[in-house]
Parts: sequence; structure tokens; C-alpha cells
Amino acid sequence: EVQLVESGGGLVQPGGSLRLSCTASGFTFSDHYMDWVRQAAGKGLEWVGRIRNKAEGFTTEYAASVKGRFTISGDDLKNSLYLQMNNLKTDDTAVYYCCRAGRVGGPSGYWGQGTLVTVSS
Amino acid sequence: DIQLTQSPSFLSASVGGRVTITCRTSQGINNYLAWYQQKPGNSPKLLIYAASTLQSGVPSRFSGSGSGTEFTLTISSLQPEDFATYYCQQLNSYPLTFGGGTKVEIK
Repeated sequence: EVQLVESGGGLVQPGGSLRLSCTASGFTFSDHYMDWVRQAAGKGLEWVGRIRNKAEGFTTEYAASVKGRFTISGDDLKNSLYLQMNNLKTDDTAVYYCCRAGRVGGPSGYWGQGTLVTVSS
Repeated sequence: DIQLTQSPSFLSASVGGRVTITCRTSQGINNYLAWYQQKPGNSPKLLIYAASTLQSGVPSRFSGSGSGTEFTLTISSLQPEDFATYYCQQLNSYPLTFGGGTKVEIK
């Protein structure tokens, strides 16, 4: 059974940093594209970024709103996905979801339960 | 960036009724379109991908259609468990983008 479990959310001050983790199980992590998607309270879904599979060098893509501040990485030995978030802004406050896409991209067929990040002074 | 405009943003429908949600894209996306359902307090769930392919386990009352820049999600006979918010997403080019969502409520 595919499972994705996010952790690392919490309260951080504007300008601060936070690293989210997503532990994957039930599939070979390095074979799949993985996404981070966020959702502010009462708002819609916003795609944050994607990491391709190991065969494609774990290369990444980002939304303009986070490019240069957020970094996605993966560790296939730990079956884990990470989202390093720097220079956080109040607009980054949201639930962050880890998602599994297909082996060559495509939609997010599996989602974690999400972890809440609150950026506030 | 490709913009996705969903309509309506809110609709009220009866159990057993037919529901159609439209997603218009700012440019052609080669049918790389997905639909998701999200219930309050839950993570989104993939319903349809490649514009019209039903994800495994999704009831057949859900269907997707369209091409070019206009796509639709249809629920043929609305069930109580279908009251939720629905989102489209384009996967043709980066950055990937979502529509603003359509909330379906009980009439």
C-alpha cells in the first residue's frame, strides 16, 4: 500500500527557515516523480514544485512564488522527500502536501495527509 | 504560465442530479488535464487524468471530456458522498497549475 507521511511543519517567524520531510512506503521512491502542493486555509490548491525520478537525475521544477527560496530534494536510501523552505513569508502559511506522480510525470495519484506551516511573528 | 479558469466556482445540486463543471485553459494543453475531488478536512483525490481517463476505483458516474482549451467534468447522478470541491490541473508544461476550484453543495 502506498503511504506518504509528511512531518516538520510548525510555527516559524517571517524570514525564517523550515524543512519538511515526506516518508514514502509501499513503492520504489526513486522510480517516481514527486510533488509538493500547498493549500492556505479556505483557499484552493497551489502547486509548489516537482522532483523527477532518479533516472532523470532528481531534477526539479518550481512555482514562481517559491523559486529561489524553496528547494526540493530526495533521498532514495531513506525513501524520503524533502522541502527546504528559506526566507519564509506570511503568504507561505498553508498545509503542505507531499504527492506521488507517475514514473514519467503525470498527475498526483497519491497524497499525504499534509503538514501545517504557519509563518507569523 | 498556463491559467486555468473553472466555472462555476460554486453550484448547488440535488442528489440524483447531473452536474457539469468546466475548466478553460489559457492555451492548449494536449489533453494533459486532471481532475481532483477534495472533501473538507481531507487530502485531494485524483478522479480523472489525460482529460478523460478514469482513475482506478473511481465510480463510473464521473466522466471527463474536452480538448484544446475547454474541458468538462460530469457527474451523471450526484450521490451524497460527491458533495465536495473539485479542481482541475494542467500537466502540459511547467509550472503546473490548478484551477480555482468548484464547490458542489446540496440543494
